[in-house]
Amino acid sequence: NAGVTQTPKFQVLKTGQSMTLQCAQDMNHNSMYWYRQDPGMGLRLIYYSASEGTTDKGEVPNGYNVSRLNKREFSLRLESAAPSQTSVYFCASSDRGESPADTQYFGPGTRLTVL
Amino acid sequence: KQEVTQIPAALSVPEGENLVLNCSFTDSAIYNLQWFRQDPGKGLTSLLLIQSSQREQTSGRLNASLDKSSGRSTLYIAASQPGDSATYLCAGGTGFQKLVFGTGTRLLVSP
Repeated sequence: NAGVTQTPKFQVLKTGQSMTLQCAQDMNHNSMYWYRQDPGMGLRLIYYSASEGTTDKGEVPNGYNVSRLNKREFSLRLESAAPSQTSVYFCASSDRGESPADTQYFGPGTRLTVL
Repeated sequence: KQEVTQIPAALSVPEGENLVLNCSFTDSAIYNLQWFRQDPGKGLTSLLLIQSSQREQTSGRLNASLDKSSGRSTLYIAASQPGDSATYLCAGGTGFQKLVFGTGTRLLVSP
């Protein structure tokens, strides 16, 4: 039972390049999330998916797109990377996002640098 | 808009001490309050979750309380150990598991 896995672990991009961050969970969770963590800012929600087939914007969605490929996988795409997108990206999942008793399980993160 | 603040930003204590980490939030209409632990270069691990209808939760040496009226939550760590050294994050749930995170308290427990 691997939990939430993310690939790659590290990535360096040049401004304007594109890339997709991959996330998968093996806990049969319905809801999945993408966050970014910046020094002094805390984690901020980029996009979330309440269930397979649905996605919604979070607090900081500009410059990103997401795809909920199936129940297990939720990818985050940067179409034209900018230095402001240098950050650590975390994927998370939860069983039923609408329940206040439901916690989120986090992946190990992807450290992205945009030059 | 919910805002979450954690004070202090860093804390250093000797092993064996009992300690309290503080978290404050601006909107009392909170869905739940969660405490996470983050080790350097790693993801977050959930420690405790307090639903809005609850006042506290306990797990081993950890106890978390929630006071919605004052907009505060505390995480109490008893008999601290060097293995407790990490960053502790609190997050307020604003509905449908939308979590608003504080910036964390970095804890160092010295042997």
